[in-house]
Amino acid sequence: SQTIHQWPATLVQPVGSPLSLECTVEGTSNPNLYWYRQAAGRGLQLLFYSVGIGQISSEVPQNLSASRPQDRQFILSSKKLLLSDSGFYLCAWSVQGASGYTFGSGTRLTVV
Amino acid sequence: TQLLEQSPQFLSIQEGENLTVYCNSSSVFSSLQWYRQEPGEGPVLLVTVVTGGEVKKLKRLTFQFGDARKDSSLHITAAQPGDTGLYLCAGAGSNFGNEKLTFGTGTRLTIIP
Repeated sequence: SQTIHQWPATLVQPVGSPLSLECTVEGTSNPNLYWYRQAAGRGLQLLFYSVGIGQISSEVPQNLSASRPQDRQFILSSKKLLLSDSGFYLCAWSVQGASGYTFGSGTRLTVV
Repeated sequence: TQLLEQSPQFLSIQEGENLTVYCNSSSVFSSLQWYRQEPGEGPVLLVTVVTGGEVKKLKRLTFQFGDARKDSSLHITAAQPGDTGLYLCAGAGSNFGNEKLTFGTGTRLTIIP
């Protein structure tokens, strides 16, 4: 069966520090991978998506970047965090050609 | 830019009542999905509707896709406390191979025992 792992669950970082959030998928090959950010209790904003290794599309200009070094690994990074980067970050995957997403359990990032 | 507006934004009702949540857009979607999210967790897929006018039932939940594939509704019959959560609709692009989802603004549902 397919599973998705996202860590850490909670993170408190000072302004100006770097960030690395990791997401891995098991039990599937060549998935579409996504990073979303969610404001408190509201809808999701797509940050990045990837249809293959090394292929990253950015949806909004921001202080973040994404990488896909392996087929089932998706990393969200920042060199210097801003207060506005605080939020709930969700990784998701889907089968190419289908639209149903499976989400990870999320990372609550607080920048102080 | 495809936008999905959900209404109401917040809904609090007594256990046993019926309710309907709406998801509206001016854009056409190839499919539309509904998710439910618990606090501190990722959204969980409830249903996908693909055909205009399609109706799907999941126990006490009834989902409908608009004829023009621009809107959808979620109806819950005899709501229970376990139905409490954030309900999100999400539309898939109409272009072949574009599996990116646009998420709605969300409806926070609270069922009072």
